[in-house]
Amino acid sequence: KQEVTQIPAALSVPEGENLVLNCSFTDSAIYNLQWFRQDPGKGLTSLLLIQSSQREQTSGRLNASLDKSSGRSTLYIAASQPGDSATYLCAVSPLKVSYNTDKLIFGTGTRLQVFP
Amino acid sequence: DVKVTQSSRYLVKRTGEKVFLECVQDMDHENMFWYRQDPGLGLRLIYFSYDVKMKEKGDIPEGYSVSREKKERFSLILESASTNQTSMYLCASRPKLAGERNFGPGTRLTVT
Repeated sequence: KQEVTQIPAALSVPEGENLVLNCSFTDSAIYNLQWFRQDPGKGLTSLLLIQSSQREQTSGRLNASLDKSSGRSTLYIAASQPGDSATYLCAVSPLKVSYNTDKLIFGTGTRLQVFP
Repeated sequence: DVKVTQSSRYLVKRTGEKVFLECVQDMDHENMFWYRQDPGLGLRLIYFSYDVKMKEKGDIPEGYSVSREKKERFSLILESASTNQTSMYLCASRPKLAGERNFGPGTRLTVT
């Protein structure tokens, strides 16, 4: 059974720091991995999607890497800002799905606070 | 950009009421999903649909039903709301198997 773990559960950093959020998964047979951001009381905003054949994706100050063999993904945030404060979730799509099944397995998230 | 909208941000209903949560996406996505999110339990899949009039149970379908009469609209129905259905409900859509999943803003439902 696929399990997704995110460490740390919470992180508080001063503005300007570069930081890394970690996501690990137990089964390397994945279709893709997606990183989301969630602000309190709001829905999820997709940040980056990495297909299983890719090693990383970049968007602005965000860079996500994927190492399927070791079951790990990292989300790197450069020059953090107070506006980056949110909960960050990673989620994996297992490989063995057919057209009428669907799974997206979420981690429990990392709650990030960036203070001025 | 894909836009997924949900009919209400906040909803308060009484036990036993029939509740409809509506979700609409504007990008012609085949697949649509309903999740609920609870503290300590994360996101759990209730139902999903991979085509019009098609539906599949997720991990926690009990107490819920869904309807997808049009491609852009996916409705979640609580036949008889109960207090343990108080939660944040999130709708999502995605184009195909390898596509990016996009979420709506969520509906916070309170059942009293």
